[in-house]
Amino acid sequence: GENVEQHPSTLSVQEGDSAVIKCTYSDSASNYFPWYKQELGKGPQLIIDIRSNVGEKKDQRIAVTLNKTAKHFSLHITETQPEDSAVYFCSYDKIIFGKGTRLHILP
Amino acid sequence: EAGVAQSPRYKIIEKRQSVAFWCNPISGHATLYWYQQILGQGPKLLIQFQNNGVVDDSQLPKDRFSAERLKGVDSTLKIQPAKLEDSAVYLCASSYGARETEAFFGQGTRLTVV
Repeated sequence: GENVEQHPSTLSVQEGDSAVIKCTYSDSASNYFPWYKQELGKGPQLIIDIRSNVGEKKDQRIAVTLNKTAKHFSLHITETQPEDSAVYFCSYDKIIFGKGTRLHILP
Repeated sequence: EAGVAQSPRYKIIEKRQSVAFWCNPISGHATLYWYQQILGQGPKLLIQFQNNGVVDDSQLPKDRFSAERLKGVDSTLKIQPAKLEDSAVYLCASSYGARETEAFFGQGTRLTVV
């Protein structure tokens, strides 16, 4: 069945530096790979998504890359800010979610 | 645009009791999802509705969990009887279409079973 592995589980970066979170998946049927941000006490919120017909997508400081051959996709956050501190989840078509990465932005 | 509404926000029950959660999706969204999120983990899909029909309930523990979507709009998720391991946040989400479309999540219901 489908499975998504997400790394790292915790990530601490200095404010202004970049953060990278990686996910690998096992199935190949999906063409949709969203990333969600979850703040304490709230539901997940979509921050960026990518479909398999493109290899990279960027939205201001956030970018996602997809390698369908290798079955992995990554989230890149540049120029990190304190408000980026949260838990981030990758997903396989909203059906399977990774275990999450807790991102800490250090002052 | 109003978001996905869920109630209650918090619920504490004793094991073997029953509980129900309610979800009102974004207007016009045909697809509705229920997820279980255990502390420190990602959401786990329990059931997916397309209008008022079930698309996927493969991970729903059917001996104790049930869900329905009345008239293709609101939905309720019920647990009867509850077990300690059911303690989690239950998230409802909706999307305009089924696959490859953005899902919008509610704030969730935090269930504690004691």
